[in-house]
Amino acid sequence: AQSVTQLDSQVPVFEEAPVELRCNYSSSVSVYLFWYVQYPNQGLQLLLKYLSGSTLVKGINGFEAEFNKSQTSFHLRKPSVHISDTAEYFCAVSGRGTSYGKLTFGQGTILTVHP
Amino acid sequence: DGGITQSPKYLFRKEGQNVTLSCEQNLNHDAMYWYRQDPGQGLRLIYYSQIVNDFQKGDIAEGYSVSREKKESFPLTVTSAQKNPTAFYLCASSTGRTGRDEKLFFGSGTQLSVL
Repeated sequence: AQSVTQLDSQVPVFEEAPVELRCNYSSSVSVYLFWYVQYPNQGLQLLLKYLSGSTLVKGINGFEAEFNKSQTSFHLRKPSVHISDTAEYFCAVSGRGTSYGKLTFGQGTILTVHP
Repeated sequence: DGGITQSPKYLFRKEGQNVTLSCEQNLNHDAMYWYRQDPGQGLRLIYYSQIVNDFQKGDIAEGYSVSREKKESFPLTVTSAQKNPTAFYLCASSTGRTGRDEKLFFGSGTQLSVL
């Protein structure tokens, strides 16, 4: 079984500032790691995923995340945010060898970018 | 355009009533999933199906039922046994394989409320 903890429920930030959204996970097996974004009243879109290899993963819209196995973390970062990045962000895991859709999600972090 | 269509966008349920949420995909995906989203709790897996005529319970299947008679369709029925059905319901699909290019596609959701 897996669990995911997103350490901040809300993160306010000013436009063009850097941001980090924190995610820790626990699992008894090796995992795949994901970050999804959800805009109001919409479904989720995949930002990036870590499957294996390089621990620094680059995704869409200038986001990146770093897998840290020793700290069981997968924090999401962006060096300079835009108003359009305002959304809710979800960290998720799935056990290796299982279908990618069988995910365990964190509680979500609402990112609000102020002008 | 290929994608996932959920209907209706808003649905109201009376006490003791069963309601069915529709999910259709034209992506030729084998696997389909239903997630429930509650504020501050992230998404939780209700049911999933990796092939036609087969489905498995997720983490919170009680009070729900599904069918998978066609590859493109995976309807979810919220029964009267589900005592707290008010939530945002998201349907998703994937090829069902675990390769590097695998990706989960989400519909735009159905908001279910109890009258």
